[in-house]
Parts: sequence; structure tokens; C-alpha cells
Amino acid sequence: DTEVTQTPKHLVMGMTNKKSLKCEQHMGHRAMYWYKQKAKKPPELMFVYSYEKLSINESVPSRFSPECPNSSLLNLHLHALQPEDSALYLCASSQDPGAGVFVYNEQFFGPGTRLTVL
Amino acid sequence: EDKVVQSPLSLVVHEGDTVTLNCSYEVTNFRSLLWYKQEKKAPTFLFMLTSSGIEKKSGRLSSILDKKELFSILNITATQTGDSAIYLCAVEANTPLVFGKGTRLSVIA
Repeated sequence: DTEVTQTPKHLVMGMTNKKSLKCEQHMGHRAMYWYKQKAKKPPELMFVYSYEKLSINESVPSRFSPECPNSSLLNLHLHALQPEDSALYLCASSQDPGAGVFVYNEQFFGPGTRLTVL
Repeated sequence: EDKVVQSPLSLVVHEGDTVTLNCSYEVTNFRSLLWYKQEKKAPTFLFMLTSSGIEKKSGRLSSILDKKELFSILNITATQTGDSAIYLCAVEANTPLVFGKGTRLSVIA
């Protein structure tokens, strides 16, 4: 299995809803990432998990809450979002080469979840 | 602040043309440079470059890195309409991936 899967593919939610985005990979990768991509812009990094621990939070508002329950799964919990949060949310993973030094290798992206906040 | 700049931002060519896309960067603790192709959804990985002067090739696509001058180029020969996409350059440094704004390539028949 050499892919990253994301569910749902599309999500429409109101500003008072609570929803979650899910990401899964079975490549044995130990780093997982959430990106947000607005139309006609490059992806922007939100969070990085390394060995199931949050290692980078790019000053993301608390209405986005990541969770990494195990090495294969990454969730993004959404609560009280704003219409400007509408975007494509991309998950990615990369391999840890070991040897005690974490080096970011090439990231493999999932297909994304297109989120619309009304 | 880490920065990746791509040029041109958009390009229109005819089928069969050869194109060169540019990516320059200013980052701290450079690790690698990656090229992605993005069509309608998620970026798909093309190349990862870590060493200067070593060309990577995949079919009609090739790429090379110059770590002294801090840039990379992506070449596409004999372009086809299926090459139409946004090509993203990204650099791994202190931040896991810093993306450029992309080059939007349109190949017309």
C-alpha cells in the first residue's frame, strides 16, 4: 500500500458544527502533516507529527485540533470554523530514515478534503 | 524567513515545445528540493534533489539542482496537453516544506 487516504472527500459544515477529517497511511511513515490550500495558492503547513507527537504547530487557530491516535492515523478536529477556513485540506506523510536523526524525506500527499464552511 | 521563488508564474506553450521552469530559494539548513505536479487535487511527487549537478530524469521530465547558486530547474521536453498543471517547487529546511507559488503551465494543441 503506497498511498495516503483521506476522508471525507468533500465536507460542508456550518460555523457551529463539529466535524473531523481523517487521514491514513500504511507505508510505515513516522511523520505526518496537515496542510491547508486555498484556491490558486500553494499548500501552507499547519501541523507536523513526528512519532505520534506534535512537533510543529504553525500558529494555527485553536478551532483546528490535530490528533494522532497511532502511527497510521492522523485526524483534524474542526470546531466553530469561519467561512474563510474553506479550503482544500491535505494530509501528507514521510518516512523517518532512523539513525536517531529525523530527516524529512519526500512527502506523499493524500487526495485532500475539500471543506466548505457556510 | 525561508523563501522559495518560482518563475515564471504562468506559461502557455504549444505541444512539442520544451519548457524550463525555475525555482530559487533562500533557506536555513537546506536539506532537499522537491518538485511536485498539481492538477485538480493533491500534489504528486516528481523529483527530490539533494546534491548539486546530478540530473534526475523521468521520461520527458528532468531536473537539476545548483546548491551554490541556490536554484533548480525542471525541464519538460516534447510537451503534451497532459502536462498542463501547476508545478510546485518545495524546499525542506528548518521548516519541513516551504512551497513556492507554483508555475501554471498550459500546453495547447
